[in-house]
Amino acid sequence: GDSVTQKEGLVTLTEGLPVMLNCTYQTIYSNAFLFWYVHYLNESPRLLLKSSTDNKRTEHQGFHATLHKSSSSFHLQKSSAQLSDSALYYCALSDPQGGRALIFGTGTTVSVSP
Amino acid sequence: GALVYQYPRRTICKSGTSMRMECQAVGFQATSVAWYRQSPQKTFELIALSTVNSAIKYEQNFTQEKFPISHPNLSFSSMTVLNAYLEDRGLYLCGARGNSQNTLYFGAGTRLSVL
Repeated sequence: GDSVTQKEGLVTLTEGLPVMLNCTYQTIYSNAFLFWYVHYLNESPRLLLKSSTDNKRTEHQGFHATLHKSSSSFHLQKSSAQLSDSALYYCALSDPQGGRALIFGTGTTVSVSP
Repeated sequence: GALVYQYPRRTICKSGTSMRMECQAVGFQATSVAWYRQSPQKTFELIALSTVNSAIKYEQNFTQEKFPISHPNLSFSSMTVLNAYLEDRGLYLCGARGNSQNTLYFGAGTRLSVL
């Protein structure tokens, strides 16, 4: 079945440094969509990025990710982490038609310190 | 914009009793609503997917008898946790999306505590 793997459970870094969160996936769909959601405590999980076409970079709020079908990856990156980036980050996968629920990875906690 | 309101935000119930949580979509038509539970390890476990005019599909380990869901129109869904016990504690999240959309819009969750 479909699955999403986030290998880092916790990422700790100092403010100003770059951050990359890994996301790989398995799916039967050649045109699946990949997403990054950010979840702050006591708030709704919020969409951060949605994948575009193969090898095209998508950006939002300083974060960016590129869908690479050849490696089944959709890694999240930011060039300079901020304290406010401390949160839970989830990578998720959807079938092309949106007929099934999102499949989530296990999440990565990002902790940014001064 | 698309918003999803979920309530109550927190609830406490006695062991063996039931509690109901509700999910309201604003600004779009929620043709599908997915209910998740966030595990203690922070994983999103899918409970069920409800699509208007289709049967509700429950995932393995979750049943209609334990988590009955109602999705009567394009803006509202509810889920009940029947006979709640300690293992049912956690944060329950609803995610809604419109027709032909892939993006899920989430509520802030209902945190269930069981005494």
